[in-house]
Amino acid sequence: EPEVTQTPSHQVTQMGQEVILRCVPISNHLYFYWYRQILGQKVEFLVSFYNNEISEKSEIFDDQFSVERPDGSNFTLKIRSTKLEDSAMYFCASLGGEIAGELFFGEGSRLTVL
Amino acid sequence: AQTVTQSQPEMSVQEAETVTLSCTYDTSESNYYLFWYKQPPSRQMILVIRQEAYKQQNATENRFSVNFQKAAKSFSLKISDSQLGDTAMYFCAFRRGFNTDKLIFGTGTRLQVFP
Repeated sequence: EPEVTQTPSHQVTQMGQEVILRCVPISNHLYFYWYRQILGQKVEFLVSFYNNEISEKSEIFDDQFSVERPDGSNFTLKIRSTKLEDSAMYFCASLGGEIAGELFFGEGSRLTVL
Repeated sequence: AQTVTQSQPEMSVQEAETVTLSCTYDTSESNYYLFWYKQPPSRQMILVIRQEAYKQQNATENRFSVNFQKAAKSFSLKISDSQLGDTAMYFCAFRRGFNTDKLIFGTGTRLQVFP
C-alpha cells in the first residue's frame, strides 16, 4: 500500500541551527502539507503546497520556515534558525486531488531543539 | 474561523464494549467535511471515518459510526465491540468544502482499550 515516508524520525538540534525535514509523498499525489504537533497540544496546519508553490500558510509559518519540492519526489520543510518552541512532531501529508480524496499522513519527524 | 473541540482528553473501555468519543465544532460554512483520525502509538494518523455535512445520514465504517448533529454542531464517534487495537489517540477534524483545503484538528482523545 502506498505511504508517505518521513526522515529523520527524530532530530535533536541546538537552538539557532538550521533543520531540514524530508518527506516523500505518495507518487501520484498533487497536494502536499506540513502539520505540526507540540507535545500535548493539537495538530496544527503549517502550509500547503501545490504546483510548486505555497497554496496557503498559517501564522506559524513565518519567515523562518520554507518548503520546496526540489526533485519531483521529495517535499522538504526547512527551519532556518530553530527556536526552543519549534520542538514538536512534524507531519507531512499528501492528497491525490480527486474529489473525495483521502489525506495520507506520514509517521512524523520529532524535532527537539535544545 | 473554524474551531474543533474535544472535551475528553482520555477515555477507557473494556474490550468488546462500546465507547463514544465527543467532538463539537464551530463554523459559519454551509459546506464542509468532518473526519475522525486515529493515531496509534506508531504515530501515523489514519482516517477512520468521514462525514459530508450535506448528508443527513450518519456515516458508518464497520465498527465505527458517527452521530452527526448539524444544528448542534456535534460529531461524535462510536466504536462498537472495542478491540485492543483500537487503543490510540483519536482526533476529530474539520475541513471546508474544498477537498484540498487544510484540516483543523481538535486536541484529541486518548482511548485505552482494556482486556
